[in-house]
This record gives sequence, structure tokens and C-alpha cells, in this order.
Amino acid sequence: SQKIEQNSEALNIQEGKTATLTCNYTNYSPAYLQWYRQDPGRGPVFLLLIRENEKEKRKERLKVTFDTTLKQSLFHITASQPADSATYLCALDVASSASKIIFGSGTRLSIRP
Amino acid sequence: EPEVTQTPSHQVTQMGQEVILRCVPISNHLYFYWYRQILGQKVEFLVSFYNNEISEKSEIFDDQFSVERPDGSNFTLKIRSTKLEDSAMYFCASSILAGSYNEQFFGPGTRLTVL
Repeated sequence: SQKIEQNSEALNIQEGKTATLTCNYTNYSPAYLQWYRQDPGRGPVFLLLIRENEKEKRKERLKVTFDTTLKQSLFHITASQPADSATYLCALDVASSASKIIFGSGTRLSIRP
Repeated sequence: EPEVTQTPSHQVTQMGQEVILRCVPISNHLYFYWYRQILGQKVEFLVSFYNNEISEKSEIFDDQFSVERPDGSNFTLKIRSTKLEDSAMYFCASSILAGSYNEQFFGPGTRLTVL
């Protein structure tokens, strides 16, 4: 069956360290993979998109990798800050029309001062 | 900065009643979406809408659900006969082009409580 797994439900790290979140998928062949941030009671906010032919994408302190052989994406936040505490969601496309997007269950990241 | 808006922020209804959730997508966007998130669970795709018709829908989006773009600005989700299990946060989103390779902008959500 098709699955998207974010294999840490929660991650707790010290301020200043690099947070690394994982998204694994099975029985999908996405052309694109996206990462979103969600704060409690709010809608998801887009962070980064990476295409299947891209290995890595960066935006400020954020870095995403996409390995279509391993069927995995890694999301890194360097120099983490308490304000980075949130739930992070990966999402990928599952239809040829490119308008059906499925989300993982998220990883709740807590950055302690 | 343009944003997606949703009304109401909270809707309480009795089981079996019809509800309409409203969204105003960003004005130059062409794709519109509804998602739901049951408390403590993941964001679930319901439906995407493009060029005045449904583009994709999930297994959740059964005959009880419908979507409409009644005018040039609003995008609505109707649930005909609500069930207890429809209680969730409903998010509307829009994107300039198809959402897989474009940023989706999400609204703040409508919390639906079915009693």
C-alpha cells in the first residue's frame, strides 16, 4: 500500500544544533516533494519544494534533499532557534494531474533554549 | 501580502444538518483545494478544483460533499448531512498553477464541530 512516513513523531533538540527530519515514502513516484510548517491551530505554510531531478535545495537556514532511489527526503534546519518549534510536514504529488497532494503525519519539532 | 481567507472560523452544527464552509482564494490563483485535519491527525486531501470543475478527489470526498465556485471570488465546500466524524478543521488552499509544483497558500481554517 502507499505510505508517507515521517519517522519521528517528535524531535527535541538544543538551540543552535541542526535539526534533521525524515520523510520516507513507499509505492509512490512523486515528481515533486514539498515541506510545510504548521503551528498549532493554523494552516500549513509552504517552506520548500524540490523536484525529482534535484538532489538538494536550500533556503536560508533550511536544506532539503530528495533521494528517489531511497524514496526519502531529509529536511534540515541549521542553527536552530526556539522560534523554529512547530510541526513540519512533507507532502508529495500522487496524480498525473499534479493537483492531488498527500501529506505525511508530521514531525513535531521542539527547540529548547 | 495576499492571503486566503475562510469563514466562519468556527461552525457548530447538529448531526444531519447541512453546512457550507466558505473560502476566498488569492485572486490570481487558478487551483483551489480543500483539506481537512481531524484533531491530532494529519492533513488530509479532500478535493482540488480547476477551471470550474473537480480535478481530483479523495475517497473521503463522497456524495455528501460538494464544491462550488459560485462567483469570481468565493470557493465553497458543502457537507449535505453532517456526521459526528466530520468534526475537524477544514483548510482551503489555492495555488497559481497545479499544487504539486507550486506553493499552496493555506487559509486559517474553519473548525467544524458536529454535535
